Amino acid sequence: DGGITQSPKYLFRKEGQNVTLSCEQNLNHDAMYWYRQDPGQGLRLIYYSQIVNDFQKGDIAEGYSVSREKKESFPLTVTSAQKNPTAFYLCASSIRARDYLSGYTFGSGTRLTVV
Amino acid sequence: QKEVEQNSGPLSVPEGAIASLNCTYSDRGSQSFFWYRQYSGKSPELIMFIYSNGDKEDGRFTAQLNKASQYVSLLIRDSQPSDSATYLCAPFTGFQKLVFGTGTRLLVSP
Repeated sequence: DGGITQSPKYLFRKEGQNVTLSCEQNLNHDAMYWYRQDPGQGLRLIYYSQIVNDFQKGDIAEGYSVSREKKESFPLTVTSAQKNPTAFYLCASSIRARDYLSGYTFGSGTRLTVV
Repeated sequence: QKEVEQNSGPLSVPEGAIASLNCTYSDRGSQSFFWYRQYSGKSPELIMFIYSNGDKEDGRFTAQLNKASQYVSLLIRDSQPSDSATYLCAPFTGFQKLVFGTGTRLLVSP
């Protein structure tokens, strides 16, 4: 079955440590997105990528980095510069970027906690 | 002004009733509007979308769009306890991305 796989489901980070969240899709979608969701809040866009080897900052990119070396993969690194990383991280994809008829498909999410 | 406004709720309805979820948006360049359902601790799942003024029906769900008033709504008929979730409104804005509201929490009591 086609879909988006995020791993791990739960992740614990120590202070000052970088961690990488995995996102893989087999939907042959062009565009991929990373969102952060805090309790009781909406989804905030961190980074997005419309094609391979290209990505743009979203609304809250500081302290995060991404890469898009393959169409299927869009990993997110939470760096030590992100001072409040505890949140629910969601990866999403859409068939084509800039297509108003393409909704986003979400992965199951990674819950990151700072210990 | 927020880009997408939704009443956070909770909206409480009895089983079998109609639940009406509302959303207003600020970007007049928004071309389409998506409704997602998110159960507690889970990721959002797409319910339906609408891009033309008027109503669009899909099973128990009806989306309504009024671009002049910058208003979109989702009606859920014959509400079931399994419909209890947070519903996110997401316009596809002039920036060519989805922008998500904070969602309305719906509680359907048996």
